[in-house]
Amino acid sequence: DQQVKQNSPSLSVQEGRISILNCDYTNSMFDYFLWYKKYPAEGPTFLISISSIKDKNEDGRFTVFLNKSAKHLSLHIVPSQPGDSAVYFCAASALNNDMRFGAGTRLTVKP
Amino acid sequence: KAGVTQTPRYLIKTRGQQVTLSCSPISGHRSVSWYQQTPGQGLQFLFEYFSETQRNKGNFPGRFSGRQFSNSRSEMNVSTLELGDSALYLCASSLYPGVTEAFFGQGTRLTVV
Repeated sequence: DQQVKQNSPSLSVQEGRISILNCDYTNSMFDYFLWYKKYPAEGPTFLISISSIKDKNEDGRFTVFLNKSAKHLSLHIVPSQPGDSAVYFCAASALNNDMRFGAGTRLTVKP
Repeated sequence: KAGVTQTPRYLIKTRGQQVTLSCSPISGHRSVSWYQQTPGQGLQFLFEYFSETQRNKGNFPGRFSGRQFSNSRSEMNVSTLELGDSALYLCASSLYPGVTEAFFGQGTRLTVV
């Protein structure tokens, strides 16, 4: 039961342009959403999160948007840098419950 | 502050064997979750422990089990290994379940031959 879906397995963008990674979820009980970034041979690292009471959260070059009615969130990276090349996982949780992850999107930023 | 430590980093086992993986969470963290990562499947939730109690379990067969000790360290065990169990097994720790971001270990790469 894939409650969190990342339908694009890969994304390639040019350095300096915007990267937009998308995530959809099915469980309306989810109220906290996170993005993780994973480099090869390393565990995922936390990137940015958003609570369901917000529709936008910004941290430097990274912005997460949440559309609760559409059960959709997205991560924007502006401007994209080659060091951003990694696999990005979207995750969601309901209060005091475990996190569920999407399948990941591999982002490649070309110089 | 030490991060999440998983041992061993790499493991090769044969079909039918059993394996135990270990995870030491960040000091003070009481919640430990386990995930299986395979190509194309992303991170699949295995189970979560909080204060030595299993709180949630993912959709995996009973061959996958785990436990948590009083010092919050956790182990997961897979019995009667199958080729399809080959994966990266990740452990994540957090202060409490769900609400806060989790910190991941580097994982244990299990290969079943």
